[in-house]
Amino acid sequence: AQTVTQSQPEMSVQEAETVTLSCTYDTSESDYYLFWYKQPPSRQMILVIRQEAYKQQNATENRFSVNFQKAAKSFSLKISDSQLGDAAMYFCAYRSVLSAGGTSYGKLTFGQGTILTVHP
Amino acid sequence: DADVTQTPRNRITKTGKRIMLECSQTKGHDRMYWYRQDPGLGLRLIYYSFDVKDINKGEISDGYSVSRQAQAKFSLSLESAIPNQTALYFCATSSGRYSPLHFGNGTRLTVT
Repeated sequence: AQTVTQSQPEMSVQEAETVTLSCTYDTSESDYYLFWYKQPPSRQMILVIRQEAYKQQNATENRFSVNFQKAAKSFSLKISDSQLGDAAMYFCAYRSVLSAGGTSYGKLTFGQGTILTVHP
Repeated sequence: DADVTQTPRNRITKTGKRIMLECSQTKGHDRMYWYRQDPGLGLRLIYYSFDVKDINKGEISDGYSVSRQAQAKFSLSLESAIPNQTALYFCATSSGRYSPLHFGNGTRLTVT
């Protein structure tokens, strides 16, 4: 079974600075997807960025980028030019495929979450 | 309007009560999921379904049951609620094995 570990329960950053959130995972699969989700106080789960394991190039979405180290099974999120609106819980997630009754499903396994505080 | 709607948003109930959490979607997705979020544990899968005839247990299904009343509706029931079922519950949908999951806004359940 896959496991996802976020070793930083809490992180903080000054507005306009850069912060990196860590995530490691364990899997025996060679092809998979990794995600970072943001959960603000509104509780909504917002997809921030995704990475396909077969792509060597690190994914980037505006101020958000990842450092994907497949051999090390590491998937960190870098937030540049941090803004007050970035304050939230961030979850790292691994997508595996479940098969049941002849149907395939994408199952997400989540890490424990990291609470990010942004100081003005 | 939200594509994945969960009701109620918050609920407080007493130990031993039966409670149902509801989820409906307008995205036309066939796959639906129920997750539970606890502090320090992230989100864990309770049940998942492809259609009204296909229901599958996730990693923490004990104490829960589900009903897929229609392609767009997927309900989670606690037959006899207990305090350690106090959590934030999420419904999610997807259109295929490689498609992203789309989450509702969650139901916060407190069992006293």
